[in-house]
Amino acid sequence: GQQLNQSPQSMFIQEGEDVSMNCTSSSIFNTWLWYKQDPGEGPVLLIALYKAGELTSNGRLTAQFGITRKDSFLNISASIPSDVGIYFCAGQLGFGNEKLTFGTGTRLTIIP
Amino acid sequence: GAVVSQHPSRVICKSGTSVKIECRSLDFQATTMFWYRQFPKQSLMLMATSNEGSKATYEQGVEKDKFLINHASLTLSTLTVTSAHPEDSSFYICSAARQGPYEQYFGPGTRLTVT
Repeated sequence: GQQLNQSPQSMFIQEGEDVSMNCTSSSIFNTWLWYKQDPGEGPVLLIALYKAGELTSNGRLTAQFGITRKDSFLNISASIPSDVGIYFCAGQLGFGNEKLTFGTGTRLTIIP
Repeated sequence: GAVVSQHPSRVICKSGTSVKIECRSLDFQATTMFWYRQFPKQSLMLMATSNEGSKATYEQGVEKDKFLINHASLTLSTLTVTSAHPEDSSFYICSAARQGPYEQYFGPGTRLTVT
């Protein structure tokens, strides 16, 4: 099946640093979602974006829905140890009861 | 609110046997549930979309006779892996769609190991 391209694939940062990651698609999506997955757990929704150009924040997290509808960005400010995990973007053609297409994931590691 | 559970969390079975995994939405009704498979260090790949009271829709390449899905109520969907083989060993995750605010919530996953 189709997957969205996420970059970078992995990141090694120090606590307190800001983080940026992005997600691109060859096709348009009308909803973009960002999830975090901890080892051995299911993904947890971080931010949902419903309009092209929309910029939405959730605490230290900020995500943007690209104006072309083919990309999205996630920023994390002042990283803390609990930010460690895998971040997935997901695109959706419609709304909640339609299937999601997931990105390849960005693994975030914080160096002590 | 919006809690999704899966049972069992881990299961080990012998090759050739069948395994049933349950997905429940605990505090909301879900007309649509989804089943994903995730191999180590990989992303989630959708296997099928499960609608309450109707047949599941399978993604291309997923064998519907091998992965049986039943969505008998608005809070329960089951995935049965029939005649399991070692290559079916994976992390199976379900999600349930709650209407208004139209978000999907994921279960904690089921680790299947086929020996």
